[in-house]
Amino acid sequence: QVTLKESGPVLVKPTETLTLTCTVSGFSLSNARMGVSWIRQPPGKALEWLAHIFSNDEKSYSTSLKSRLTISKDTSKSQVVLTMTNMDPVDTATYYCARMTTVTNGAVDYWGQGTLVTVSS
Amino acid sequence: QSVLTQPPSVSGAPGQRVTISCTGSSSNIGAGYDVHWYQQLPGTAPKLLIYGNSNRPSGVPDRFSGSKSGTSASLAITGLQAEDEADYYCQSYDSSLSGSNWVFGGGTKLTVL
Repeated sequence: QVTLKESGPVLVKPTETLTLTCTVSGFSLSNARMGVSWIRQPPGKALEWLAHIFSNDEKSYSTSLKSRLTISKDTSKSQVVLTMTNMDPVDTATYYCARMTTVTNGAVDYWGQGTLVTVSS
Repeated sequence: QSVLTQPPSVSGAPGQRVTISCTGSSSNIGAGYDVHWYQQLPGTAPKLLIYGNSNRPSGVPDRFSGSKSGTSASLAITGLQAEDEADYYCQSYDSSLSGSNWVFGGGTKLTVL
């Protein structure tokens, strides 16, 4: 059974750095056909892709947020970590980690439940 | 402003057919990148409905279908049911001189009348 679960702070202050962890089970982060993305959704708004890490540790970042994002993984712990620097109230959103596979031509076939992060002083 | 454009809302009566469009450009859908569709029920994570333009994952009813032509794609839902009331998102890949990103549409709220 494939699952992804996000963890991290529910509240961060402006200018702080957000660190989110995605713990996966039911598949390996070293599987060549799979990668993990972070995707966010501000309240009442659309989905926004943030970053992706491939099985070979290659990384891809949203062009508009690249300077603030870092994605990494620890295959032995089955974890993917996202850091976002200089948080602002507009970054308030539900943050999802999600599995993308070549089997589904790059679609997300499994999503975490999401974690709501509020940015406020 | 989303890279992929969807109508903000569509509606239909039970049993009817509705379509949701997803309009892109030559740097995403028109470049040949696949389009995927997701359904998001209130308060839940999105669920994959259609991948690779027209393929249904196991468990998705055949009332849902997808198509792609040129720089646009469409999701069709036939035999509309109350449980179909949700937000729907299209997704593709965009590659231009400014960079490459996975991109989503702005979402469409489906109301079953």
